Amino acid sequence: DTEVTQTPKHLVMGMTNKKSLKCEQHMGHRAMYWYKQKAKKPPELMFVYSYEKLSINESVPSRFSPECPNSSLLNLHLHALQPEDSALYLCASSHSKDYGYTFGSGTRLTVV
Amino acid sequence: AQSVTQLDSHVSVSEGTPVLLRCNYSSSYSPSLFWYVQHPNKGLQLLLKYTSAATLVKGINGFEAEFKKSETSFHLTKPSAHMSDAAEYFCVPEAADSSYKLIFGSGTRLLVRP
Repeated sequence: DTEVTQTPKHLVMGMTNKKSLKCEQHMGHRAMYWYKQKAKKPPELMFVYSYEKLSINESVPSRFSPECPNSSLLNLHLHALQPEDSALYLCASSHSKDYGYTFGSGTRLTVV
Repeated sequence: AQSVTQLDSHVSVSEGTPVLLRCNYSSSYSPSLFWYVQHPNKGLQLLLKYTSAATLVKGINGFEAEFKKSETSFHLTKPSAHMSDAAEYFCVPEAADSSYKLIFGSGTRLLVRP
C-alpha cells in the first residue's frame, strides 16, 4: 500500500458544527502532516506529527485540533469554523527527509 | 533564510514541444529538492526528487530536472509536452533544519495547447 487515504473527499459544515477529517497510511511512515490549500495558492503547513507526537504547530487557530491516535492515523477535528476556513485540506506522510512526501487527494471543505 | 522562487507563474506550450519550468532556491547548503504536480482538484504527486546522489534526476511521465549548485537552480524539463501534463507544478526544497518542513514555491501553471 503506497497511498495516503483521506476521508471524506468533500465536506460542507455550518459554523456551529463539529466535524473531523481523517487521514490514514500504511507505509510505516513516522511523520504525518496537515496542510491547508486555498484556491490558486501553494499548500500551507498546519501541523507536523513525528512518531505520533506533535512537533510543529504553525500558529493554527484552536478551532483546528489535530490528533494522532496511532502511527497510521491522523485526524483533524474542526469546531466553530469560519467561512474563510473553506479550503482543500491535504494530509501527507513521509518516511524520512530524503524520501519525499506522499500526499493524499485531500478533503474539500466548505464552511457555510 | 531558505527561499524558493518559481520564475514563471504560467507557462504555455504546444503539445509535442519541450517544457521548461524554472526554479531557483536560496540556501546555505544543498537541500533535498522535490518537484510536485497537482492536477485540478487533486492532491499532490511527487514527480522527482534530488537528494545529492546525482545532479540529473529522472522522474515519472518523462520529466527530469538538473540540480545546478553554481546557479542554485533546479529546473524541470520534458522533451515533448502531452495534453495530460496540464497542471500546477511546485518546486519544493526541504527546510534546512530537522523540522521535516517543506517550503513550497508559488507554483507554475502549465497550459498545453492542442
